[in-house]
Amino acid sequence: DIQMTQSPSSLSASVGDRVAITCQASQDIRDQLNWYQQKPGKAPKLLIYDASNLETGVPSRFSGSGSGRDFTFTINSLQPEDFASYYCQRYDGLPTFTFGGGTRVDI
Amino acid sequence: QVQLVESGGGVVQPGRSLRLSCAASAFTFRNYGMHWVRQAPGKGLEWVAVIWYDGSKEYFADSVKGRFTISRDNSKNIMFLEMSSLRAEDTAVYFCARDIRSARLDVWGQGTTVIVSS
Repeated sequence: DIQMTQSPSSLSASVGDRVAITCQASQDIRDQLNWYQQKPGKAPKLLIYDASNLETGVPSRFSGSGSGRDFTFTINSLQPEDFASYYCQRYDGLPTFTFGGGTRVDI
Repeated sequence: QVQLVESGGGVVQPGRSLRLSCAASAFTFRNYGMHWVRQAPGKGLEWVAVIWYDGSKEYFADSVKGRFTISRDNSKNIMFLEMSSLRAEDTAVYFCARDIRSARLDVWGQGTTVIVSS
């Protein structure tokens, strides 16, 4: 099975900071990776799909990059509403999914 | 608006069964694959199961294979997760979600909580 390693598991940042989260696959997964945001007590929200595509309605300060094994999710100019947990998710077309361990972004 | 609403959660003893429901509205339910994803208290997201748009195929995570079944009724816009032989480690919030192109989950329900405890 392909494993997804997400890092860091948590980070502290300030409003206006640039934040980067990485996700590494144990094998080449091309661009089959998505990123979600989850706030406490809420359902996850899709932000980025296919590694670098911004979901409709998501602010442009969110971005994703990478292919193969290494992926990066970036928030430019962190806003107060961005303090949340973020998860990467790979898909294999079956469709079965694997989530990364998550990153909590704190003030 | 497009919506998914889960129900059926509760407290259940180990070894017992429970059925969760996911009711869909404001979209053509029969056109979409549907998933269950769970989140144990204080933990990350874990994919649980998927059912194809027409119910013809199902896949399960190894952690629930043989104990959980998934089904849907496209005439009623509803999906089910039948959980049996429940264990303490099945305690979680269970979310249903809509599949896009067998690749991503674009609409999620609010979740229903399952607690397995004696």
